[in-house]
Amino acid sequence: GENVEQHPSTLSVQEGDSAVIKCTYSDSASNYFPWYKQELGKRPQLIIDIRSNVGEKKDQRIAVTLNKTAKHFSLHITETQPEDSAVYFCAASHGNEKLTFGTGTRLTIIP
Amino acid sequence: NAGVTQTPKFQVLKTGQSMTLQCAQDMNHEYMSWYRQDPGMGLRLIHYSVGAGITDQGEVPNGYNVSRSTTEDFPLRLLSAAPSQTSVYFCASSFAGQGETEAFFGQGTRLTVV
Repeated sequence: GENVEQHPSTLSVQEGDSAVIKCTYSDSASNYFPWYKQELGKRPQLIIDIRSNVGEKKDQRIAVTLNKTAKHFSLHITETQPEDSAVYFCAASHGNEKLTFGTGTRLTIIP
Repeated sequence: NAGVTQTPKFQVLKTGQSMTLQCAQDMNHEYMSWYRQDPGMGLRLIHYSVGAGITDQGEVPNGYNVSRSTTEDFPLRLLSAAPSQTSVYFCASSFAGQGETEAFFGQGTRLTVV
């Protein structure tokens, strides 16, 4: 089955700086790669996703890049703000009926 | 539009007791899944369903049963609770196919087995 590794497990950045979270996946058949944000005590919520026919996708301050050859994808957050503090999860799937998640990155924005 | 609704939000069980975690969605999604979330381990798939009458095992299915008699409901049954099942449980649903594929999560059920 699919295996997703996520790094780093914790990340602290100064407000206004950029944050990068990286994930690798094992199943070359995976074609859907979402990123979820989970605030303390809340449910995970989708912030951005990418399919394998696209190399990069951007939504305001958030971008995701995908390297199918190397089987890794990354989340980039620019101009970080205090409200970006949360746990971020990457995931991978073939189709979207079941997601395999990474172990999460706790991002802390330092004011 | 309620989205994905889970009940209860909190539950304490004694070892050996059984219970059912309820999950309902009103978005007519084909896919529904159950995950458990433990510290440092992300979300792990327990069981999933691609439509009414169809279920399959995920990564950690032991000790849990599911059924999908309707599109809307996907209950998770703990047969004989064990302390190792102490966790936060999330139900999720999504459309099938290549279009709108976002998985929507319920608010979670925090289960403690003593």
